[in-house]
Amino acid sequence: DIQLTQSPSFLSASVGDRVTITCRASQGISNYLAWYQQKPGKAPKLLIYAASTLQSGVPSRFSGSGSGTEFTLTISSLQPEDFATYYCQQLNSYIFTFGPGTKVDIK
Amino acid sequence: EVQLVESGGGLVQPGGSLRLSCAASGFTFSSYDMIWVRQAPGKGLEWVSSVSVSGGRTFYADSVKGRFTLSRDDSRNTLYLQMNSLRAEDTAVYYCARDGYGSGSYYNVFDYWGQGTLVTVSS
Repeated sequence: DIQLTQSPSFLSASVGDRVTITCRASQGISNYLAWYQQKPGKAPKLLIYAASTLQSGVPSRFSGSGSGTEFTLTISSLQPEDFATYYCQQLNSYIFTFGPGTKVDIK
Repeated sequence: EVQLVESGGGLVQPGGSLRLSCAASGFTFSSYDMIWVRQAPGKGLEWVSSVSVSGGRTFYADSVKGRFTLSRDDSRNTLYLQMNSLRAEDTAVYYCARDGYGSGSYYNVFDYWGQGTLVTVSS
């Protein structure tokens, strides 16, 4: 099975900061990667799929890049509503592995 | 508006059984693969199981294989997860989600989620 790792596990940042989260896959998955945002007590929300395609309705400050085994999620200017946990997910096989998550907290 | 509403969670003893339901509305249920994802308290997301359109194929995480059975009733727009031989490590919030393949993308992304139902396995 494909394993995903994320770094950092925890990130402390301020409003307006540029934030980058990395996701690495244990084997090449082309661009079959998605990113989700989850706030406490809520269901996850799809942000990005195909590594870099923004889901409809998601603000343009979110962007994704990468291919193969290394991917990044970038928030260009962190907003108060962006403090949450972010998960990557591989879409390359029917065993839909998630990464362990990155919690973005307020500095 | 797409809606997914889970039900059936609760407290069950180790070794017991529970059946979760997910009622779908706002889209053509029969045209989409459907998924269950769970999240143990304070932990990350874990994909549990998927069922294809018409129920022709089902897939399970190794952690639940042989104990959980996923099915769907397209006439009732409802997804079911039968959970047997439950263990303490199955304690989690269980989310139902839609696989949005073909709805604007050709990737198996989970584009709509329910609010989740809590399953607690404890004596």
